[in-house]
Amino acid sequence: QSALTQPASVSGSPGQSITISCTGTSSDVGGYNYVSWYQQHPGKAPKLMIYDVSNRPSGVSNRFSGSKSGNTASLTISGLQAEDEADYYCSSYTSSSLVFGGGTKLTVL
Amino acid sequence: QVQLVQSGAEVKKPGASVKVSCKASGYTFTSYGISWVRQAPGQGLEWMGWISAYNGNTNYAQKLQGRVTMTTDTSTSTAYMELRSLRSDDTAVYYCARDGSYFMAFDIWGQGTMVTVSS
Repeated sequence: QSALTQPASVSGSPGQSITISCTGTSSDVGGYNYVSWYQQHPGKAPKLMIYDVSNRPSGVSNRFSGSKSGNTASLTISGLQAEDEADYYCSSYTSSSLVFGGGTKLTVL
Repeated sequence: QVQLVQSGAEVKKPGASVKVSCKASGYTFTSYGISWVRQAPGQGLEWMGWISAYNGNTNYAQKLQGRVTMTTDTSTSTAYMELRSLRSDDTAVYYCARDGSYFMAFDIWGQGTMVTVSS
């Protein structure tokens, strides 16, 4: 399966909101409500931020939210903070497999 | 606390095999599965496959079929991933991750194991 498409980079100032897109096909993102988002700081393991398109695990800030429309899922971070600067990856279930996006580097200006 | 602790870094020659371990603690091992995800230097994440710690059922990424084997030892709450016929493009950090709190979403990750394939 091909990787999901994410923008290589996004940026925003503290306090602002940003949105990261994740585009797939009807065989993955569009076909299932099993999209997840992960945050990864340099040299660290990924951290689950969103599962099942829009659900937050316990302990994840409500500044993080997820949504989906058609074949594109989105992660929105509101009230941007310096600690949000990291790489973000989406993933989607697809016919007994899992595919990740290429990753998006978020820079907090 | 709930955690996954992986074995240390490995350096292997092309054509060799590597076996990475992932020891679980703080939860009932057999109630969840373990997925393996790798990340080449400076690159994105790649799902390698999944194993049920309950019954040993596996599901491997098509790309790795025939070269990868995932196993578990329930007596020690440890999962293993063996990759054979190593190539230079297998150089990556290999992560194990707990799978089962949510469908195909991983809430607990190991610290990662660097595997370097070089002649």
